Amino acid sequence: AQSVTQLGSHVSVSEGALVLLRCNYSSSVPPYLFWYVQYPNQGLQLLLKYTTGATLVKGINGFEAEFKKSETSFHLTKPSAHMSDAAEYFCAALLSGGYNKLIFGAGTRLAVHP
Amino acid sequence: NAGVMQNPRHLVRRRGQEARLRCSPMKGHSHVYWYRQLPEEGLKFMVYLQKENIIDESGMPKERFSAEFPKEGPSILRIQQVVRGDSAAYFCASSLGARAQETQYFGPGTRLLVL
Repeated sequence: AQSVTQLGSHVSVSEGALVLLRCNYSSSVPPYLFWYVQYPNQGLQLLLKYTTGATLVKGINGFEAEFKKSETSFHLTKPSAHMSDAAEYFCAALLSGGYNKLIFGAGTRLAVHP
Repeated sequence: NAGVMQNPRHLVRRRGQEARLRCSPMKGHSHVYWYRQLPEEGLKFMVYLQKENIIDESGMPKERFSAEFPKEGPSILRIQQVVRGDSAAYFCASSLGARAQETQYFGPGTRLLVL
């Protein structure tokens, strides 16, 4: 079955440190890929998405992600973490023949400490 | 420019009651999606609707759950005879078109608690 896997349900970094959140997908055909952020008791906000073209995608709040077909990955990075980045992050894929159905990973909760 | 609106934001029901969740898509959007988020889990797709049509309901439980998106008014997710396992956050999303790469914009969710 097609799926999205996020390695690490909890990630903790120091303020100013690199943020790396991992996402892998399983699909024979490269899907469209998305990263969403969810703050407590709120809905999901789109950070960035990859559809076609450039494999390095820049999003809001200084985040970026790189699509690597050979590794079936779409890891999210930010060079310098800020306290306001503390939230839950979801990787999602739109898979072939999926009728616009987003397949979500289980999420990674990011903690940022001083 | 209002985003996706959902109401109520919180809903408490006793076992056996009905729950009705409403979703108003972004202005100009005619595609609506419902997702369910169980505690400590990611979102799971339930149903995709266009105006007056159900396009994909592959994620909907076979019993007690139904969804509609009438010509006028919001989309409704209806859960009959709720059970404790229905307690979850229900998110609605909308998109402008049907292309796969269209961004889905999410509402704030309805948090259902079944006592």
